Amino acid sequence: EPEVTQTPSHQVTQMGQEVILRCVPISNHLYFYWYRQILGQKVEFLVSFYNNEISEKSEIFDDQFSVERPDGSNFTLKIRSTKLEDSAMYFCASSGSGAEAFFGQGTRLTVV
Amino acid sequence: GENVEQHPSTLSVQEGDSAVIKCTYSDSASNYFPWYKQELGKRPQLIIDIRSNVGEKKDQRIAVTLNKTAKHFSLHITETQPEDSAVYFCAASPPGDYKLSFGAGTTVTVRA
Repeated sequence: EPEVTQTPSHQVTQMGQEVILRCVPISNHLYFYWYRQILGQKVEFLVSFYNNEISEKSEIFDDQFSVERPDGSNFTLKIRSTKLEDSAMYFCASSGSGAEAFFGQGTRLTVV
Repeated sequence: GENVEQHPSTLSVQEGDSAVIKCTYSDSASNYFPWYKQELGKRPQLIIDIRSNVGEKKDQRIAVTLNKTAKHFSLHITETQPEDSAVYFCAASPPGDYKLSFGAGTTVTVRA
């Protein structure tokens, strides 16, 4: 069964450093998303991406965040200058035309 | 934007009993309502979903009901088993890019 895959599974970074989280969505999907989940809290929408551009972003997704689909398979989230409060589990998700979103296994980002 | 409220936050049931989780949403334009199960440290997994053109959907021991007038939807798990223990999230999505707004989650514990 096709799956969304994310790398790395865990990333530790120093405050102020840039990180890139990588995702390979399901191959025939059209919509791509990043969500985050702070430990013990709910899943929060960050950004949606369709037709090679951002379709919507949340208040969390400020100028420090960017997304890119550099080739036909990868979908990346970049945080330019990490802050302590960026520590969270980041989930990539993708969906086809039917709205069902399938999540990757997540990248746990720890900012120290 | 969409605001999803979920209750209860924790639910403990005896094995074999039923569990019911309720959610309300604020945006009347939302038309897609999935439920996700998240086990500790794992990705959210879609277990059932419902669209606004139906009032009820069932899949084995799991059922979801939707009341569009009242803007609430519920998850029903019958004959609960220990493996049903997890955090359950409801979500709502408007038409368009299918971004999900999640509820705060319900921690379900099934006692053997």
